[in-house]
Amino acid sequence: DIVMTQSPDSLAVTLGERATINCKSSQSVLHSSNKKNYLAWYQQKPGQPPKMLIYWASTRESGVPDRFSGSGSGTDFTLTISSLQAEDVALYYCQQYYSTMTFGQGTRLEIK
Amino acid sequence: QVQLVESGGGVVQPGRSLRLSCVASGFNFSTYGMHWVRQAPGKGLEWVAVIWFVGNNKYYGDAVKGRFTISRDNSKNTLYLQMNSLRVDDTAIYYCARGIATGTTTMSFLDYWGQGALVTVSS
Repeated sequence: DIVMTQSPDSLAVTLGERATINCKSSQSVLHSSNKKNYLAWYQQKPGQPPKMLIYWASTRESGVPDRFSGSGSGTDFTLTISSLQAEDVALYYCQQYYSTMTFGQGTRLEIK
Repeated sequence: QVQLVESGGGVVQPGRSLRLSCVASGFNFSTYGMHWVRQAPGKGLEWVAVIWFVGNNKYYGDAVKGRFTISRDNSKNTLYLQMNSLRVDDTAIYYCARGIATGTTTMSFLDYWGQGALVTVSS
């Protein structure tokens, strides 16, 4: 299975500042047939199910604020929140769907 | 609006069985792949199984292969997870989730999730 490793495990950012979460896969999730990266990002708040934010590594789901963006290709990916809001406090997970689905261990985002 | 509602969770002894259900509404259930994903208390997400609409193809994670069975009844818009030979480490919240087909792999990203059903395996 592809192992997904996120960094850092936890992150504290000042309101209005940028937050960056990294995700690295143990093998490439870039599909040669369509040049798409099979990588998604989810947000999970306490007591709630995960909510999809980003798919195909950089496509924002409908309704997700544009302060959330995804980037990267191959094995290295980043989720960026351009200006942290209080409601963004949550756990964030990356997920690959290139082969048997696996998730990163999660990154806890807090307010500094 | 899309809704997924799980039921059937509870407390069960090791070695026993339990069946989860997930009723879907707000979309054409028969045309989507459906997944189960679980989350142990205070832990991360672990994919469990998927069932596709084409040929009823089913795939399982290694941790549950041979013990769990995923199925669906499109006439009832319902997804199931039959869990046999339960172990203490199967304790988790079990989420059903809708998968978006990629056309190139058996996996998918998950655009809608239910609220989850808690399964506790304990003697």
